[in-house]
Amino acid sequence: DQQVKQNSPSLSVQEGRISILNCDYTNSMFDYFLWYKKYPAEGPTFLISISSIKDKNEDGRFTVFLNKSAKHLSLHIVPSQPGDSAVYFCAAPGRGGADGLTFGKGTHLIIQP
Amino acid sequence: SQTIHQWPATLVQPVGSPLSLECTVEGTSNPNLYWYRQAAGRGLQLLFYSVGIGQISSEVPQNLSASRPQDRQFILSSKKLLLSDSGFYLCAWSRTGNTGELFFGEGSRLTVL
Repeated sequence: DQQVKQNSPSLSVQEGRISILNCDYTNSMFDYFLWYKKYPAEGPTFLISISSIKDKNEDGRFTVFLNKSAKHLSLHIVPSQPGDSAVYFCAAPGRGGADGLTFGKGTHLIIQP
Repeated sequence: SQTIHQWPATLVQPVGSPLSLECTVEGTSNPNLYWYRQAAGRGLQLLFYSVGIGQISSEVPQNLSASRPQDRQFILSSKKLLLSDSGFYLCAWSRTGNTGELFFGEGSRLTVL
């Protein structure tokens, strides 16, 4: 049973435009959510997070929106740059405690020149 | 500052051979440690986590095992590799207590032939 779902395996966006990556979750008890960025043959790196008590968190070109009633969050990147081409993972706490994060399957973002 | 290293970076092994992947963390004490696997189309799957020396929790039944002989060392092993063990293995750590942000190593690409 996948608790965090990313239903778009890939997304292609023109350079300079807005990229919107989506994530749905099933557990309304999650305290926070995170987005990770991953380049090929490298480990994922933390990008941005949001607490469940907020509906928006912004960091430079990256903004995460949380819609708790819809159990949905999205990552907006504006403007999109070539270096943003990567796989993006949405994540949430596993069962709580120290048992790691549960990740979505990822969305491969491709920024076209 | 904290750093995490895992090795080897790439490994090609025949079916039935043993496996040992190592991971060490520096600059922190008593971290939570994790092994994840990224397989094609399946996102990041948690394999094992550890909250202390000798304490290992397994998330999925499998052909692999993990050990934590020292506070900042985490080892992933197998006695006999299967074709299905191929994938990209990631070690990660988080601070003591409930899981927060995970910090990932560079990853190890395992190909079983």
